[in-house]
Amino acid sequence: NAGVTQTPKFRVLKTGQSMTLLCAQDMNHEYMYWYRQDPGMGLRLIHYSVGEGTTAKGEVPDGYNVSRLKKQNFLLGLESAAPSQTSVYFCASSGPGGGQETQYFGPGTRLLVL
Amino acid sequence: GDSVTQMEGPVTLSEEAFLTINCTYTATGYPSLFWYVQYPGEGLQLLLKATKADDKGSNKGFEATYRKETTSFHLEKGSVQVSDSAVYFCALIPNTGNQFYFGTGTSLTVIP
Repeated sequence: NAGVTQTPKFRVLKTGQSMTLLCAQDMNHEYMYWYRQDPGMGLRLIHYSVGEGTTAKGEVPDGYNVSRLKKQNFLLGLESAAPSQTSVYFCASSGPGGGQETQYFGPGTRLLVL
Repeated sequence: GDSVTQMEGPVTLSEEAFLTINCTYTATGYPSLFWYVQYPGEGLQLLLKATKADDKGSNKGFEATYRKETTSFHLEKGSVQVSDSAVYFCALIPNTGNQFYFGTGTSLTVIP
């Protein structure tokens, strides 16, 4: 039981490049989330999903897209990276009670955009 | 809107000192309240939670009581250890929503 895993752990991009961050969970959770963590700002929700095939915008969705084609995976895409997207990205999942349940976090992906 | 405010750090304490990290919240209705801990280089882990007024969450010697009258959920520990050095986040989820709201985090360093 690996919990929540994230790929890659670290990435450097040039401005304008694209990339996809992968989150996988093996707990059969319905809900999945993507956050970014920046110094002095805590965690801010980017997008979330309440089930396979569904996605919704969080607090800071601009510049990001997501997909939830399989229940266990939640992908975060950056189509054209900008330096303002330099951050640490965390994925989380919760369930079976849905949004009111404890969230379980992955180890994070550190992204640097030059 | 819903939000969480927690005391700014960093906080530095000597081993065996008493710890309090203040957290207050703004929310409609009756949210659930959480404390998460983040150790260096890792993701967040749930430390404790409380789902209704006057509930006390506890874990690993840490405690927090859900105070609706003061909209607070302060984290306390009677005797901190070096291994408690981490960043602590207060969070809430509204009883009618799917979205967590996190505070900005408080960094704690415990020195021997």
